[in-house]
Amino acid sequence: DAKTTQPPSMDCAEGRAANLPCNHSTISGNEYVYWYRQIHSQGPQYIIHGLKNNETNEMASLIITEDRKSSTLILPHATLRDTAVYYCIVRVDDSGYALNFGKGTSLLVTP
Amino acid sequence: DTAVSQTPKYLVTQMGNDKSIKCEQNLGHDTMYWYKQDSKKFLKIMFSYNNKELIINETVPNRFSPKSPDKAHLNLHINSLELGDSAVYFCASSWTETNYGYTFGSGTRLTVV
Repeated sequence: DAKTTQPPSMDCAEGRAANLPCNHSTISGNEYVYWYRQIHSQGPQYIIHGLKNNETNEMASLIITEDRKSSTLILPHATLRDTAVYYCIVRVDDSGYALNFGKGTSLLVTP
Repeated sequence: DTAVSQTPKYLVTQMGNDKSIKCEQNLGHDTMYWYKQDSKKFLKIMFSYNNKELIINETVPNRFSPKSPDKAHLNLHINSLELGDSAVYFCASSWTETNYGYTFGSGTRLTVV
C-alpha cells in the first residue's frame, strides 16, 4: 500500500536545480516526510525530513505544501554524484514504525 | 571509521547451507534494522531491534533469525538457504527518536546457487 507517489525517473543538467516531487495525499497529522537516496550499489543515505515547515540542510531543501499533501525535494546545484534513486517516505517518528521504501525516483544528472 | 559496518560484503553459498551476516554500528544508536533489497530493487524491512529487544518483525520466514548480543550489534542468521534468498541485505541503525534519520551499511550481496 503505497503512501507516496513519485515519478519513476527524471533528468537534470549538471549545475541546475533538481526538483523532485512527491505526493502523499493520505498523510496523517503525526507523519513526517523523509527523503533518502540510494546511489548505485550503496546503502540508502538520509537526506532530510520535515513535518510541516520547510527545511534546509547542507544537502537539500524540503518544501512541504500547506495542506501537507505533497512535497518537493530540491537539490540546488545538482552534480553528477547526485545521480541516484530518491525515496520519499512518510512515517510516524517512532521506533515502532519502520521506514518503508517505495519505488522512488531515479534521477540522472547529465553533464 | 565506518559508522555501520557489515561483513561479509559478498557471500556466495549453496542451497541448504546456513550462513550469518554480521552488523556493527559505532554511532551509539539504540535501534538497529535489517532490510532486504531484491532483484527488482525493492527495499523491505525485515527486523528492528531497540536496546536488544525485537520491536519489528515483518513477515519473514522463520529460517531468518536475528541476534542482538548488545546494542552495537545485530547479526542475521539464515538457515537452509534457498535460491529466493539471493538479495542484498542492508543493516541500519538510528536513535529511537529518529530525527537524524537512519544510517545504513554498505550491504551484503548474498547469492545462493
